[in-house]
Amino acid sequence: DAGITQSPRHKVTETGTPVTLRCHQTENHRYMYWYRQDPGHGLRLIHYSYGVKDTDKGEVSDGYSVSRSKTEDFLLTLESATSSQTSVYFCANANGRNGYTFGSGTRLTVV
Amino acid sequence: GQNIDQPTEMTATEGAIVQINCTYQTSGFNGLFWYQQHAGEAPTFLSYNVLDGLEEKGRFSSFLSRSKGYSYLLLKELQMKDSASYLCAVTWNQGGKLIFGQGTELSVKP
Repeated sequence: DAGITQSPRHKVTETGTPVTLRCHQTENHRYMYWYRQDPGHGLRLIHYSYGVKDTDKGEVSDGYSVSRSKTEDFLLTLESATSSQTSVYFCANANGRNGYTFGSGTRLTVV
Repeated sequence: GQNIDQPTEMTATEGAIVQINCTYQTSGFNGLFWYQQHAGEAPTFLSYNVLDGLEEKGRFSSFLSRSKGYSYLLLKELQMKDSASYLCAVTWNQGGKLIFGQGTELSVKP
């Protein structure tokens, strides 16, 4: 029973096209996060949400937007994909002292 | 900034003990997490420290010194399956953001 799922798992897209990644949680956690992971940089926070329609920027938010219209869904949009946005994207939700639970990741390639 | 520093790589022998250190900015510190990540997989939660001292969970222990901005993860009786990246992550009093260090790649050799 995956508490947090991401879709798609893999995507190849062309430079300049918009791309939306979806994160879905089955729990009712208030906080949700989007990270990207690249060699040599570790996990970097893109955007996060602290409730429906409440979002804020992270460390590397340029070129990305997010939306949270329902508690269970947190969408990440690349407005116009660039090759520098080729990465593995992880969604997470906050579970208090039990840490943050991560989805399985989306591998995005921009060609 | 919110610099979190940990060694890039470490190597240890099966059956041995290894300590992975992490230092962070102390101002506004809230709590510290350790995660394990195997190649191609998502990070998984190992431990959470908010007060000074040692938290023990089986073969894994995590230590925190709030005044020194220092934590370590101690892995005992190393097994080959412990070869993974170990991520130190910190929350500060800024609305729940979890910020990660670059991770320490641990290789366990026979």
